Amino acid sequence: EAGVAQSPRYKIIEKRQSVAFWCNPISGHATLYWYQQILGQGPKLLIQFQNNGVVDDSQLPKDRFSAERLKGVDSTLKIQPAKLEDSAVYLCASTSIWGREVYNEQFFGPGTRLTVL
Amino acid sequence: DAKTTQPPSMDCAEGRAANLPCNHSTISGNEYVYWYRQIHSQGPQYIIHGLKNNETNEMASLIITEDRKSSTLILPHATLRDTAVYYCIVKDSGAGSYQLTFGKGTKLSVIP
Repeated sequence: EAGVAQSPRYKIIEKRQSVAFWCNPISGHATLYWYQQILGQGPKLLIQFQNNGVVDDSQLPKDRFSAERLKGVDSTLKIQPAKLEDSAVYLCASTSIWGREVYNEQFFGPGTRLTVL
Repeated sequence: DAKTTQPPSMDCAEGRAANLPCNHSTISGNEYVYWYRQIHSQGPQYIIHGLKNNETNEMASLIITEDRKSSTLILPHATLRDTAVYYCIVKDSGAGSYQLTFGKGTKLSVIP
């Protein structure tokens, strides 16, 4: 079974530029998450999708961050314009179960390391 | 805020058991204890979870105290590949509760 794919793996940009990250979840996984992980900290949830709908984006800085999952499969996360403090690893994760009381193992991609200069 | 407290770092000799503690004194009755780990330059990986009984799988064992206020993740024979940051997470497994709140975790270093 193929894992969660993310691209690019690394990105270096200057502040005020824009950047986009792509995620392809595990086939059939309805729920998709984007996390931000700053160096030395645990991942922080930015946004959660169920199919192509947003479930929770309460921690997404909406003045500069946006995300979409138009067909309920792939997702993109965009930052425009980037700030120095956006330097982090952006992780995508997916899980298959929604609406059932079961444990939900989240499967994570390798992440995209963003450096803002 | 994370609901758990973990030591920031631990060392373990290769081949020995690694015992990683986690305090979750405010855990409620319907909350599970989950463990994930993150090897350098990779995304987190699920290890194990439990409610109140001890659990074991091919990766690790999870020991939860009777009052459920703390737990220990045990890697029975640590190898160099177990060097990683280990996250203890308390989470409700009810319908709709599918978010993980990560703390800083414990950085485990397995020493040759």
